Amino acid sequence: KQEVTQIPAALSVPEGENLVLNCSFTDSAIYNLQWFRQDPGKGLTSLLLIQSSQREQTSGRLNASLDKSSGRSTLYIAASQPGDSATYLCAVTGAGSYQLTFGKGTKLSVIP
Amino acid sequence: DTGVSQDPRHKITKRGQNVTFRCDPISEHNRLYWYRQTLGQGPEFLTYFQNEAQLEKSRLLSDRFSAERPKGSFSTLEIQRTEQGDSAMYLCATRRDISSNEQFFGPGTRLTVL
Repeated sequence: KQEVTQIPAALSVPEGENLVLNCSFTDSAIYNLQWFRQDPGKGLTSLLLIQSSQREQTSGRLNASLDKSSGRSTLYIAASQPGDSATYLCAVTGAGSYQLTFGKGTKLSVIP
Repeated sequence: DTGVSQDPRHKITKRGQNVTFRCDPISEHNRLYWYRQTLGQGPEFLTYFQNEAQLEKSRLLSDRFSAERPKGSFSTLEIQRTEQGDSAMYLCATRRDISSNEQFFGPGTRLTVL
């Protein structure tokens, strides 16, 4: 059974810092990995999707990497802003499955 | 706004009552998923539709839960004889087709069972 772990569970940084969020998964047989953002009481916003054949994806200040063989992904946020404060969720789609398996998320607070 | 809508956004009910939630997908998306999220946890998969066919169901989906997607458009999730443990956010997500793996989520329906 696929398990996804996100470390740290919570992170507080001053505005302007660069930061890295970590995600690990136990079964490397995945189709893709997706990073989401969730604001309190809201649905999920897709940030980046990395196919299993890709090593990284970039969107604006966000960069996500994938090392499938070691079962790890990182989300790098450059020059953090208070508006980046949210919970960030990592999810994988396993080979032969249609569903996403999520981690518990990392709650990010960016202090002005 | 992802284009996926859910109704209602909030539902408060008493234990033992039945509730029904609706999800309207992005129009060209023929894959539809339901997830449940409890406080402090990531979403957990409940069920998956390809057009009108329900292809996968989680063991979390007890016999009190039923989902439909008539005509492959909107979907409904019904919970019968609600229990306090059903209190959660119910999320709907859609995906375009086999060529795209990205899932787009709706705003969710928050259920509180008293």
